[in-house]
Amino acid sequence: KAGVTQTPRYLIKTRGQQVTLSCSPISGHRSVSWYQQTPGQGLQFLFEYFSETQRNKGNFPGRFSGRQFSNSRSEMNVSTLELGDSALYLCASSLVVAFETQYFGPGTRLLVL
Amino acid sequence: AQKITQTQPGMFVQEKEAVTLDCTYDTSDQSYGLFWYKQPSSGEMIFLIYQGSYDEQNATEGRYSLNFQKARKSTNLVISASQLGDSAMYFCAMREVQGGKLIFGQGTELSVKP
Repeated sequence: KAGVTQTPRYLIKTRGQQVTLSCSPISGHRSVSWYQQTPGQGLQFLFEYFSETQRNKGNFPGRFSGRQFSNSRSEMNVSTLELGDSALYLCASSLVVAFETQYFGPGTRLLVL
Repeated sequence: AQKITQTQPGMFVQEKEAVTLDCTYDTSDQSYGLFWYKQPSSGEMIFLIYQGSYDEQNATEGRYSLNFQKARKSTNLVISASQLGDSAMYFCAMREVQGGKLIFGQGTELSVKP
């Protein structure tokens, strides 16, 4: 069974631009979560989607948004990029929510110049 | 609020020896899940092992095992017979009952010496 895939793997943007990251979960998984990882803040939860509905949201500004499609694929969007948005963005999928193990993709490394 | 603490920023271990990575957690929930992930320099988070709060036995997966002490709110990862490929960051995480988000510790960087 294929793992979680994320595209693109690497991205360079400039301040003020917007970016869209994509995540395809493991087949059959309906829950997708997004995390931001930076050296200073560590791993922080962005949001979680289940059956196209946002179930939970982390403490990030409204510039960060996401959505999930009927095939469980998910996208996250960051508008008006800031230098501090440079990070590794990780997507994880699980069968359902609660205690199911989350399996992570390889991540997208975003650099904002 | 839930919190995960990993007090060892970095550790060294000799190849073929065992190593223990510490993790303590804080939660008011009675039901929760505890996870350990490995993150090599490539960046991908690799799931290693899971312990449920109601599991009576310590979890074991191959060379990985947990020393779960619920009363002390600790779940230490034991890696037996360390290999060079074990060199990586190791994260302890907890998953809430509601919402399902993972809360991570700051991680421990493990270096295996030949």
